[in-house]
Amino acid sequence: EPEVTQTPSHQVTQMGQEVILRCVPISNHLYFYWYRQILGQKVEFLVSFYNNEISEKSEIFDDQFSVERPDGSNFTLKIRSTKLEDSAMYFCATRAEAFFGQGTRLTVV
Amino acid sequence: AQKITQTQPGMFVQEKEAVTLDCTYDTSDQSYGLFWYKQPSSGEMIFLIYQGSYDEQNATEGRYSLNFQKARKSANLVISASQLGDSAMYFCAMRQGGSGTASKLTFGTGTRLQVTL
Repeated sequence: EPEVTQTPSHQVTQMGQEVILRCVPISNHLYFYWYRQILGQKVEFLVSFYNNEISEKSEIFDDQFSVERPDGSNFTLKIRSTKLEDSAMYFCATRAEAFFGQGTRLTVV
Repeated sequence: AQKITQTQPGMFVQEKEAVTLDCTYDTSDQSYGLFWYKQPSSGEMIFLIYQGSYDEQNATEGRYSLNFQKARKSANLVISASQLGDSAMYFCAMRQGGSGTASKLTFGTGTRLQVTL
């Protein structure tokens, strides 16, 4: 069983729509990370989250992005108004980043 | 700033042979960690091996070993006895601080490995 489960595995959305990507760890973790990988490119850090607060964020993580831990177990990444360039694979990671979820492939049309 | 360089965009290896994937890094930190991940065509990111900057022994995990040369700032991945299932993209990554720290990973551009019969 994977350490981290991400849902959905694939999401197609229209430009300008809001999307919420979810990450569910199998056990209690304090640290969470979101990364994205635009097709054919390297993996880029978005944000780290510790003890219900953002601990670090990249320049990519602008005002259209937000992270939450709404119920103490799920961990979400929200993109408020999607753009075409947000199309990418989004990964959640935990436990000192050794364990990545299987990713959510987001396609913005 | 940290930087990871993978100079081999693609590599071929015959089944059952060993292959080395190169990774060099640049950091001014004394404490850091180096990771290798495998990304098959399905897209998931699979952790392979970890090396801490203070670890004296090279890390090994089954058929994977990490050839850590601190003075050269290199952390090459060696895959022994290649299998067809090893065909994938391989990423080298680095994190500031030792194990248990929370800082982000910086990734290289990856090497696509193709294992042939």
